[in-house]
Amino acid sequence: SQKIEQNSEALNIQEGKTATLTCNYTNYSPAYLQWYRQDPGRGPVFLLLIRENEKEKRKERLKVTFDTTLKQSLFHITASQPADSATYLCALGASGTYKYIFGTGTRLKVLA
Amino acid sequence: DTAVSQTPKYLVTQMGNDKSIKCEQNLGHDTMYWYKQDSKKFLKIMFSYNNKELIINETVPNRFSPKSPDKAHLNLHINSLELGDSAVYFCASSPRLIDEQFFGPGTRLTVL
Repeated sequence: SQKIEQNSEALNIQEGKTATLTCNYTNYSPAYLQWYRQDPGRGPVFLLLIRENEKEKRKERLKVTFDTTLKQSLFHITASQPADSATYLCALGASGTYKYIFGTGTRLKVLA
Repeated sequence: DTAVSQTPKYLVTQMGNDKSIKCEQNLGHDTMYWYKQDSKKFLKIMFSYNNKELIINETVPNRFSPKSPDKAHLNLHINSLELGDSAVYFCASSPRLIDEQFFGPGTRLTVL
């Protein structure tokens, strides 16, 4: 069955460092991959979308890579700040299915 | 100027009752979704509507019935509530199928 795995444990990182979150998938061929941020008690907020024919996407301090051979996406936050502390979700979408499947999320804590 | 709004924010009810959650988006999007987020924070799609037409209907008990009176609204009615229905329900919208999604603030449903 389809499986999407993110770092199940919380990730603690020192302010100013680069945070790297992983999203691995099996038994799935996504055409699109999205990353969302979710704060406690709030709905997810869209960050970035990357397509299968794109290797890398950037937006300000955020970078996403998508490796369909490794079946993995990496999400980087450079120069991390305490305000970046949140849960980050990856979501995969396959062509023709019209839906995204979400991972369980990784809780990131940036320490001042 | 809330983009995607849901009411109520909290809903506490007894087993066996029937309840509704309302969702409205003012973004002019064609596609709307209902997601369920359980206690482990796993976000799972339930339904998707595109231009008021049901596109995705996941393996959801038929006690759950979505209704889309127009493109800006997607309501969720739940009959005969069960303990396992306790979760946070999120409404979302997107400009097109397979596109960034804008989530509402969520409705926390507690069934006693």
